[in-house]
Order: sequence, then structure tokens, then C-alpha cells
Amino acid sequence: KQEVTQIPAALSVPEGENLVLNCSFTDSAIYNLQWFRQDPGKGLTSLLLIQSSQREQTSGRLNASLDKSSGRSTLYIAASQPGDSATYLCAVINAGGTSYGKLTFGQGTILTVHP
Amino acid sequence: DTAVSQTPKYLVTQMGNDKSIKCEQNLGHDTMYWYKQDSKKFLKIMFSYNNKELIINETVPNRFSPKSPDKAHLNLHINSLELGDSAVYFCASSLRQGGTEAFFGQGTRLTVV
Repeated sequence: KQEVTQIPAALSVPEGENLVLNCSFTDSAIYNLQWFRQDPGKGLTSLLLIQSSQREQTSGRLNASLDKSSGRSTLYIAASQPGDSATYLCAVINAGGTSYGKLTFGQGTILTVHP
Repeated sequence: DTAVSQTPKYLVTQMGNDKSIKCEQNLGHDTMYWYKQDSKKFLKIMFSYNNKELIINETVPNRFSPKSPDKAHLNLHINSLELGDSAVYFCASSLRQGGTEAFFGQGTRLTVV
């Protein structure tokens, strides 16, 4: 059974800092890994999708890496801004068995960037 | 122009009632999902449909019945609502069953009183 863990559970940083969010998963049989952000009371916004054959993806100030063999991904946020404050969720799409095609989520990292 | 839209956004109802949540996607995707986010904000899959066919049913009580009239719609009907059903329910879609990006609706906050 796939399990996804995100560390830290919460992070508070001053504006301008570079930061790293961590995600680990127990079953390396994945199609891809997706990072989302969720603002309070809102839905999930897709940030980055990394295919299992890729090592990293970049979008603006965001960079996500994937080490499938070790079951790890990191989301790097450069020059953080107060508008980055949200919950960041990592999800893997399982490749095999009864979990095929299913997104399994971590519990999220609550990020607060203060001015 | 919302890609994945759910209605209603908020739903407050009494125990024992039956209610439905509707979901529509205009992305031309084949696969749609229902996820439940509990009070601790943990997201867990409930159902997945691919081209109107049920492919994932994640040990959800049979009071929950999804219905997909066409591949652009996946509705969730809940019978005999219980207090423990209170949660935020998210609809999502992806181009196909595996390996493609998932897009989520804004969620339906269900409160059972």
C-alpha cells in the first residue's frame, strides 16, 4: 500500500528566503508525482507534474525534483513571497495493481511566509 | 471558464437526508475522480471513473453512489447522511487513467447536522 509523507508539517519563514519542502513515498511503482497548493477554503491548484522518467521540473520560482528509486521528491521555492503562503501537497500516481491510476496524497506542508 | 466545476460549493443538511453533488469537466478528459478531505485536511480517493466506467472504489460505504451519465460528468449521491460524512468533497479529472496531470474542482463543503 502506497504511503506518502511530507516533511515538515508546517514551516514559517521570512519573505525572501529560499526553502525546500520534502515528500517521500513507499512504493516506487509510480507513473508520476504532482505538487499542488491549496489556499484556505479553496480547491487544489496544480503546480508541477514530474513524470517517473524525469528528474526535475521547473516553473518560475518553483523547482521540483524526483528520485524515484529512493522514493523522494523535493519542492524548492526560491525567493519566497507572502503570496506563497498556502498548504503544499504532494501526490503520487500509482502505476500498478489495484491502485493503478490513483493519486495518493501526503498530509501537506503548511507554509507561512511573513513580510 | 472553470475547467472542473462542482455544485454546490456549500451544503448543510440534517442527518438521514439524501443529497447529491454534481461535477462537470470541460477539458475533454477521460478519467474523473471523487476525493474526500477530512477535518485533518487529509485527501483520500473515493471513486474513479474512466470513460463512464467505475475503475476504483475505495471501500466507501454503499450509501455513496457515484453516477457518470457521460464522461464529462461525475455526480456523487449520498443516502442517509451521517455526522461523519461532514467533509470537503473534491472532484477531479485527468486526461487518462495513469500518468497525466490531475485537475481539481473548488470543492463542496458538506456539513451534516
